[in-house]
Amino acid sequence: QKEVEQDPGPLSVPEGAIVSLNCTYSNSAFQYFMWYRQYSRKGPELLMYTYSSGNKEDGRFTAQVDKSSKYISLFIRDSQPSDSATYLCAMSDSGGSNYKLTFGKGTLLTVNP
Amino acid sequence: NAGVTQTPKFQVLKTGQSMTLQCAQDMNHEYMSWYRQDPGMGLRLIHYSVGAGITDQGEVPNGYNVSRSTTEDFPLRLLSAAPSQTSVYFCASSRTSEKLFFGSGTQLSVL
Repeated sequence: QKEVEQDPGPLSVPEGAIVSLNCTYSNSAFQYFMWYRQYSRKGPELLMYTYSSGNKEDGRFTAQVDKSSKYISLFIRDSQPSDSATYLCAMSDSGGSNYKLTFGKGTLLTVNP
Repeated sequence: NAGVTQTPKFQVLKTGQSMTLQCAQDMNHEYMSWYRQDPGMGLRLIHYSVGAGITDQGEVPNGYNVSRSTTEDFPLRLLSAAPSQTSVYFCASSRTSEKLFFGSGTQLSVL
């Protein structure tokens, strides 16, 4: 079993839809959870960062962590065509130093106008 | 602000050739790393460095060498290129934690 599982999609939604992206993991030592967004032919950029369980909201984006279920989610409200990208979950157990991130394979999202 | 700069953007090599992928950052970050990204495999850590003079192996280090003589630069060397090293390579840096800054990538093809 891979340490981090992420459905690769592709996921296609109409503009304005609520999008739910998910990852599961097997390593109970993971404490730091991140979502990166990667546009085509670009490097990933950090979108959300959370520590341990709970929710974090930033504008239209909400990151949710459930450590008891080893499950993390990213919700996008009122999705826009500019949200079309690959979304990568990432995790770390390195005491706050994220230099040993374990990434999911990424989910390709297309938001149609 | 330049951030993390990778060169070249594209490269084609023949099997057995060697080359160096360059990475430079101007943010005075201590931590730098190299990832490769392959379809269906996601991002995998090759090597990383927590400061000048310090390097360590990641998940997939075989066939690659790194050195860190300055804070700014972290080159990745392919010793004898193989078709299995065809990939997109990303360099990243960060101050300590929380936010990796990625370069725009080098697309490498080994024939």
